[in-house]
Amino acid sequence: RKEVEQDPGPFNVPEGATVAFNCTYSNSASQSFFWYRQDCRKEPKLLMSVYSSGNEDGRFTAQLNRASQYISLLIRDSKLSDSATYLCVVNVGGTGGFKTIFGAGTRLFVKA
Amino acid sequence: DAGITQSPRHKVTETGTPVTLRCHQTENHRYMYWYRQDPGHGLRLIHYSYGVKDTDKGEVSDGYSVSRSKTEDFLLTLESATSSQTSVYFCAVGGDSNQPQHFGDGTRLSIL
Repeated sequence: RKEVEQDPGPFNVPEGATVAFNCTYSNSASQSFFWYRQDCRKEPKLLMSVYSSGNEDGRFTAQLNRASQYISLLIRDSKLSDSATYLCVVNVGGTGGFKTIFGAGTRLFVKA
Repeated sequence: DAGITQSPRHKVTETGTPVTLRCHQTENHRYMYWYRQDPGHGLRLIHYSYGVKDTDKGEVSDGYSVSRSKTEDFLLTLESATSSQTSVYFCAVGGDSNQPQHFGDGTRLSIL
């Protein structure tokens, strides 16, 4: 089982739609959580951190459920420019240090 | 973003030749990483560094070596390039404790 799992998609949605991505993680020592966005042939870029209480940044809402070990990203009022791959990322800590684990990503296509 | 410069941005070379990729950062991050990204595989960690002269292997380190003689520079070397090392290589910094990693623009390497 992968340490961070995402639905690979692709998700094909019309402009204006609301789309939700889910991500599950297996390591209970996971300490911090992030969503990244990666455009085709570009580097991954931090979209937002995910906090325990949930957080919002404009049209984007991230939530964390530690008990169920999943993270979600909600995009409201989708734009054509939201088309990208969305990566779920987890930092896992322990006595030996920490490591960052990247999900394989979920592709989103927003169509006019 | 985090003052990360990768060089070269593109390189085409022949099998058996040595290749060195450079990552330069200006924000004094302790941790630096090299990833490769191939279709269908997502990001895979090659090597990382947790300080000057302190490096460790990632999940796909065979055929690669690294060096970090200064905080700001992290070099990735392919001693004898093979066609299987054709990929996009990303450098990243940060990611310690609860912080996200930030990526360079990437190097597209083709080995013929």
